[in-house]
Amino acid sequence: GNSVTQMEGPVTLSEEAFLTINCTYTATGYPSLFWYVQYPGEGLQLLLKATKADDKGSNKGFEATYRKETTSFHLEKGSVQVSDSAVYFCALSAQGGSEKLVFGKGTKLTVNP
Amino acid sequence: NAGVMQNPRHLVRRRGQEARLRCSPMKGHSHVYWYRQLPEEGLKFMVYLQKENIIDESGMPKERFSAEFPKEGPSILRIQQVVRGDSAAYFCASSPRASGQGTDTQYFGPGTRLTVL
Repeated sequence: GNSVTQMEGPVTLSEEAFLTINCTYTATGYPSLFWYVQYPGEGLQLLLKATKADDKGSNKGFEATYRKETTSFHLEKGSVQVSDSAVYFCALSAQGGSEKLVFGKGTKLTVNP
Repeated sequence: NAGVMQNPRHLVRRRGQEARLRCSPMKGHSHVYWYRQLPEEGLKFMVYLQKENIIDESGMPKERFSAEFPKEGPSILRIQQVVRGDSAAYFCASSPRASGQGTDTQYFGPGTRLTVL
């Protein structure tokens, strides 16, 4: 079945450090890929998405590129801020499916000043 | 435009009681999804509903769990005779339509934290 594997945390960085959170997936066909972010006490918010191979999603300085050859969708940010501290979830939605999302386990990021 | 609303935010039940979780989708959204997050786990899909119809319930446990999304009112996730293993965070999401390609954004509510004593 479809699955998502993402780097386990927690990840602790200093402000302005470079961030990479790895995400790989297993799916048939061409799924859509997503990164969601969850701030403490809140629901999940869509951070970025990509719907086909080689697409790059970007938002708020975060980027991720849909790599079909490596089945990956790694999240990157060049310079993190304290306000980026949150839990990040990688997810996929299978092609032609019922739109349900399959999530990774989440990676908790803490950014220290 | 208010976001997805869930209530209660926290719910405590004793074993054997019933739990009812409510979800009001964003205005104009007719598609609702329920997900469950067990401790130290990612979110797991449970059920996908449109108004008055269950479209995909492949993630729902076969017993004790049911969901509805009536023509009027919120979507309800109902858990009968709760057990300790049902303790989790339950998230609802809504979207305006289904494109068939998984490209429509799902907007999530803040979740209901269920604790079974």
